[in-house]
Amino acid sequence: ELKVEQNPLFLSMQEGKNYTIYCNYSTTSDRLYWYRQDPGKSLESLFVLLSNGAVKQEGRLMASLDTKARLSTLHITAAVHDLSATYFCAVDNNNDMRFGAGTRLTVKP
Amino acid sequence: DAGVTQSPTHLIKTRGQQVTLRCSPISGHKSVSWYQQVLGQGPQFIFQYYEKEERGRGNFPDRFSARQFPNYSSELNVNALLLGDSALYLCASSWETGFPEAFFGQGTRLTVV
Repeated sequence: ELKVEQNPLFLSMQEGKNYTIYCNYSTTSDRLYWYRQDPGKSLESLFVLLSNGAVKQEGRLMASLDTKARLSTLHITAAVHDLSATYFCAVDNNNDMRFGAGTRLTVKP
Repeated sequence: DAGVTQSPTHLIKTRGQQVTLRCSPISGHKSVSWYQQVLGQGPQFIFQYYEKEERGRGNFPDRFSARQFPNYSSELNVNALLLGDSALYLCASSWETGFPEAFFGQGTRLTVV
């Protein structure tokens, strides 16, 4: 059974600092997704990673995928308060999308 | 262009009742997926439909069923509601099956009392 594990589950960081969120998954998959969710809101698509070595960047966020290690990372550069949210990774396994438990990020001044 | 729309936004039901949730995908999208998100957890996949056919099913009991209509809108039905069915139900649409990129609606908050 496909399992998706994120860590850390909770992350409190200061503005201006860098940090990385990790997403490990247990079986082979060709697609990995990162989503953002604000409290009480729906999911916003951030990145879709489709191949080994894929790297995508948008603003202060950069996502990468290593399919051999079954690992994706979401790197945050020079965090700002607006990045405070919960971040989910998700893996597609044969029309069954599995989400991690989420990383609740709080950026403090 | 309108995004994915879901109705109703909030719903309160009693244990044992039945509920129907509705989803209209983004125009041109043929695939609709349903997820259950319990407070504090990640979404759990329930169903995926593409061109009116079920293409994927998560680990949910038979009390959960869904269908997709010719206009690609979809309904999720839950029978014999349990307290544990209280959750945010999310619908996502995409161009095709296999989740190339999914866009989520705002969700329906279901409370079972």
